Amino acid sequence: AQSVAQPEDQVNVAEGNPLTVKCTYSVSGNPYLFWYVQYPNRGLQFLLKYITGDNLVKGSYGFEAEFNKSQTSFHLKKPSALVSDSALYFCAVRPDIGTGGFKTIFGAGTRLFVKA
Amino acid sequence: EAQVTQNPRYLITVTGKKLTVTCSQNMNHEYMSWYRQDPGLGLRQIYYSMNVEVTDKGDVPEGYKVSRKEKRNFPLILESPSPNQTSLYFCASSSQGAWETQYFGPGTRLLVL
Repeated sequence: AQSVAQPEDQVNVAEGNPLTVKCTYSVSGNPYLFWYVQYPNRGLQFLLKYITGDNLVKGSYGFEAEFNKSQTSFHLKKPSALVSDSALYFCAVRPDIGTGGFKTIFGAGTRLFVKA
Repeated sequence: EAQVTQNPRYLITVTGKKLTVTCSQNMNHEYMSWYRQDPGLGLRQIYYSMNVEVTDKGDVPEGYKVSRKEKRNFPLILESPSPNQTSLYFCASSSQGAWETQYFGPGTRLLVL
């Protein structure tokens, strides 16, 4: 079965420190990978995605993610965390059309808490 | 302004009383989808539509119906709601292409008593 795992329910970091939010996936073929963020009482907002090419993807608000095909991972990173980064982060995977059509599989989410 | 709208935003209903949650997008997107969000489970896909009159099941379609008669609208229908359908629901849309970014509505919080 296709799945996405975010192994940490919560990540705590101090402001100014680097942060990592982990994501691994089990999807056949060459999937497209996404990170979305959800602030309280809001819908999801797009952060970044990996389609092909360079394994390091840069996105909104200073976030970046590293795609590792051999480890089937797509970890979200930021060099210096801000208190305003505190939110719920979702990793999502879309299998390529040949293996999954237009289904989207989300991880369970990781709550990031940045302490001042 | 490009957006996805959902109505109502909040709804309390009783078991068995049919309800419809509307979703509309103004970006001329071909693809639309419904998700439910539950604590510890993330978002799970209910149904999606790749274009007008083309719909398909996601991972949790039981108890839900959808229709896509117009490109901009994708209503979610609960014909006989049950308490286990209490959840936060999101509609999303995107251009055609599995690599395309999805744009999400603000969510509909549903409580079924």
